[in-house]
Amino acid sequence: EPEVTQTPSHQVTQMGQEVILRCVPISNHLYFYWYRQILGQKVEFLVSFYNNEISEKSEIFDDQFSVERPDGSNFTLKIRSTKLEDSAMYFCASSDRLGQLFFGSGTQLSVL
Amino acid sequence: QKEVEQDPGPLSVPEGAIVSLNCTYSNSAFQYFMWYRQYSRKGPELLMYTYSSGNKEDGRFTAQVDKSSKYISLFIRDSQPSDSATYLCAMSRSGGSNYKLTFGKGTLLTVNP
Repeated sequence: EPEVTQTPSHQVTQMGQEVILRCVPISNHLYFYWYRQILGQKVEFLVSFYNNEISEKSEIFDDQFSVERPDGSNFTLKIRSTKLEDSAMYFCASSDRLGQLFFGSGTQLSVL
Repeated sequence: QKEVEQDPGPLSVPEGAIVSLNCTYSNSAFQYFMWYRQYSRKGPELLMYTYSSGNKEDGRFTAQVDKSSKYISLFIRDSQPSDSATYLCAMSRSGGSNYKLTFGKGTLLTVNP
């Protein structure tokens, strides 16, 4: 069964460092997303991406964040200068034309 | 008022029980409704996806949407210990190029053998 894959599963970084979280969406999906979940809180939307551009972003997605689809298969989230409050589980998702979103297993980001 | 409200539980039931999980929402623009299951430290797994008001059944799971009351439900029949997880409701406004989901906080369910 097709699935969204994310790497790494865990990432530990120092405050102020750049991190790149990687995702391989389901191959025939055209819509891609990043969500995050701080421990004990709701899953919250960060950004959606379609046709090689951002279609919507939340207030959380400030200038420190960027997304890229560098080739036909990968989708990345970059955080330029990490803060303590960026510590969370980051989920990549992709959706089909019906709007059914399928999530990856997540990358646990810990900023020290 | 929060956009999506979900009783966080926890909910504990014996094996074989019927489980009812619910969410209310305030934004009438929501058109698509989903239920996800999330095991600890894993990604949400899509269980049910509905568009219109009414019921949708898939095996032991039934999703119910009442747009007039802004209320959605998930019923689990003959619950099993493997159903123990957090159940998240989610909804989105529209299609096009963006199916941004708004989630409830999740209900933690434990099914005891």
